[in-house]
Amino acid sequence: LAKTTQPISMDSYEGQEVNITCSHNNIATNDYITWYQQFPSQGPRFIIQGYKTKVTNEVASLFIPADRKSSTLSLPRVSLSDTAVYYCLGGPGSSNTGKLIFGQGTTLQVKP
Amino acid sequence: GAVVSQHPSWVICKSGTSVKIECRSLDFQATTMFWYRQFPKQSLMLMATSNEGSKATYEQGVEKDKFLINHASLTLSTLTVTSAHPEDSSFYICSARDEERGVLDTQYFGPGTRLTVL
Repeated sequence: LAKTTQPISMDSYEGQEVNITCSHNNIATNDYITWYQQFPSQGPRFIIQGYKTKVTNEVASLFIPADRKSSTLSLPRVSLSDTAVYYCLGGPGSSNTGKLIFGQGTTLQVKP
Repeated sequence: GAVVSQHPSWVICKSGTSVKIECRSLDFQATTMFWYRQFPKQSLMLMATSNEGSKATYEQGVEKDKFLINHASLTLSTLTVTSAHPEDSSFYICSARDEERGVLDTQYFGPGTRLTVL
C-alpha cells in the first residue's frame, strides 16, 4: 500500500482555487489515487479517483503526472463549507485485501 | 451513489457492558467491509477487514476477542465491542467496498458511530 505525504494544514479564502498536493513515491503499478473529504464527526466522503493524467467531476479535479509519484487535488472556488480534512490514499488497485491506510490528511480552513 | 449506513449514530454505555454497531450497504452488495476507529484530532485507523461468510482479518494490535465482527450477509456487518471500557470510547466508522466497479473499486464510508463508555 502506498504511503502518502500531504501538508498538515492549509488556509484559503472563499472564492479561491485550492490545490492540495500529495506525494506517493512508492505507489504500485495497480494502485489508484483516491481523495476523501471528512467533516467533524462524519465518515469520509469520496471526492475523486484517478490513475493518471487528469480527472474532473462536478466537485473537483485531480491531476496526476506521468510518473504518478504525486497528485494534486484542485477545488475550484472554495466556500466556507469546504472547510474539512482531505485525505489522499494510494491503493488498493488489484489487491485482494482492498485495504486503505489513511495518513494524517490535510486540514483545509476556508476563511470569509 | 453508493450509500452506507450505521446504527446507532451514538451510544453511551456503562463500563463492562457490550455494544453492537451495525454497518449496512444500502444499494450495493459488499463481500468486504472495513472497520475503522478514530480518536479526536487523529486520522482513521483500520481495525479489521470483515469478510462475508468467513472470519474477519484484524490489524496488528487489535484484539479480536474484544472487537467481535460478524459479516452474515452481503449487506450487513456488525462490530461488537465486548466488555467496553472508557478507553474504548471513540468514533467507529465502517466502509464497504463496491466491487461491482471492478478494478476501480471504491470504498464508501458510513456516517460513523460515537461510542462513549462511562
